[in-house]
Amino acid sequence: EADIYQTPRYLVIGTGKKITLECSQTMGHDKMYWYQQDPGMELHLIHYSYGVNSTEKGDLSSESTVSRIRTEHFPLTLESARPSHTSQYLCASSRVSGNTIYFGEGSWLTVV
Amino acid sequence: GEDVEQSLFLSVREGDSSVINCTYTDSSSTYLYWYKQEPGAGLQLLTYIFSNMDMKQDQRLTVLLNKKDKHLSLRIADTQTGDSAIYFCAEIPQGYQKVTFGTGTKLQVIP
Repeated sequence: EADIYQTPRYLVIGTGKKITLECSQTMGHDKMYWYQQDPGMELHLIHYSYGVNSTEKGDLSSESTVSRIRTEHFPLTLESARPSHTSQYLCASSRVSGNTIYFGEGSWLTVV
Repeated sequence: GEDVEQSLFLSVREGDSSVINCTYTDSSSTYLYWYKQEPGAGLQLLTYIFSNMDMKQDQRLTVLLNKKDKHLSLRIADTQTGDSAIYFCAEIPQGYQKVTFGTGTKLQVIP
């Protein structure tokens, strides 16, 4: 069972607000990821990290930013939310040497 | 580049077997995975297979890998209504640079 947690699970915010989606894992994994997924659609990698102080942009351009100050924590921030940011955001992690990726339960963001 | 394709939708009757298919393009892939996503949830790892294997069975799940055709399938025996979900296959090429997910197959189980 994966020990990776996301908060909040569900959030509705107004346009222009700043929001941070939290992701924590207790497995000691070095590699962490953020995916964006519209309902029932494919996953798009937006950010990933190889370890502390490492952040990389994914395949899909995103206005969000990430930070990796601690191994277990990989928060995603939107400085000014827009309705186009409405989506599900999935956090995941894996060992650098291992290949299995474990996912959190997801954060559903609605921007009104 | 890598590309992983799946059919979008599959409907089966409860008790029948389901077969979900996936094709991939990277011949160097060393790991291939199946994930299950229930509505409103994250992806749950179901099973995986190494590229040096042809088949893997885990209770009601059977994974078949045809490396020549780059075809991966997931068979669910005695499909139950709780199996209704979206199923994603994923490949990890050698060197572990990037994971590529398929587009997902929505499985609908009719009681």
